[in-house]
Amino acid sequence: DAGVTQSPTHLIKTRGQQVTLRCSPKSGHDTVSWYQQALGQGPQFIFQYYEEEERQRGNFPDRFSGHQFPNYSSELNVNALLLGDSALYLCASSLGLRQGFYGYTFGSGTRLTVV
Amino acid sequence: AQSVTQPDIHITVSEGASLELRCNYSYGATPYLFWYVQSPGQGLQLLLKYFSGDTLVQGIKGFEAEFKRSQSSFNLRKPSVHWSDAAEYFCAVWGSGNTGKLIFGQGTTLQVKP
Repeated sequence: DAGVTQSPTHLIKTRGQQVTLRCSPKSGHDTVSWYQQALGQGPQFIFQYYEEEERQRGNFPDRFSGHQFPNYSSELNVNALLLGDSALYLCASSLGLRQGFYGYTFGSGTRLTVV
Repeated sequence: AQSVTQPDIHITVSEGASLELRCNYSYGATPYLFWYVQSPGQGLQLLLKYFSGDTLVQGIKGFEAEFKRSQSSFNLRKPSVHWSDAAEYFCAVWGSGNTGKLIFGQGTTLQVKP
């Protein structure tokens, strides 16, 4: 039973570029949440997708956007990259919009470095 | 607003010694509380969670945590630390109104001395 799969594992981008990160949820899960974890910090909630719609959003600018596909997989897009966007981006899946406290499963993350 | 504070950024203990990691939360109602562990290059793994009932909860890998409402604390404990426990530990609270998000503390890095 595959857990949460994220790709790529690492990538390096230049300031001003755009990046797309991908997440496949755990089998049977239908809700995907994205978190940003800056170095030395705890993860911060970016947004959550359910039924292909953004349901919740944290305190992140519009440069951060996402998408969920019919197979429940998800993408996180960041435009106009800033140095401060360098972080580990974690994807978490769960079953049901508000059931994450029963069983969030995290992926290993994508390490984004902006130079 | 809800928040989580982990007062200790870095803790070093000897292998075999006991461990306590502190966590304080700010939350208006009965919180849902969690402890996660993150090993280098890995995602977050759930150690234990508290929803209601018995204030002492048992988790995986021999960890336990005690919810103390009067102190707004949810400290993580382990009686005897193993070298493999070296990792980063995060306390988290579930956002109010069942918002579907976790609010994390800054984390505590645990180093284990041989």
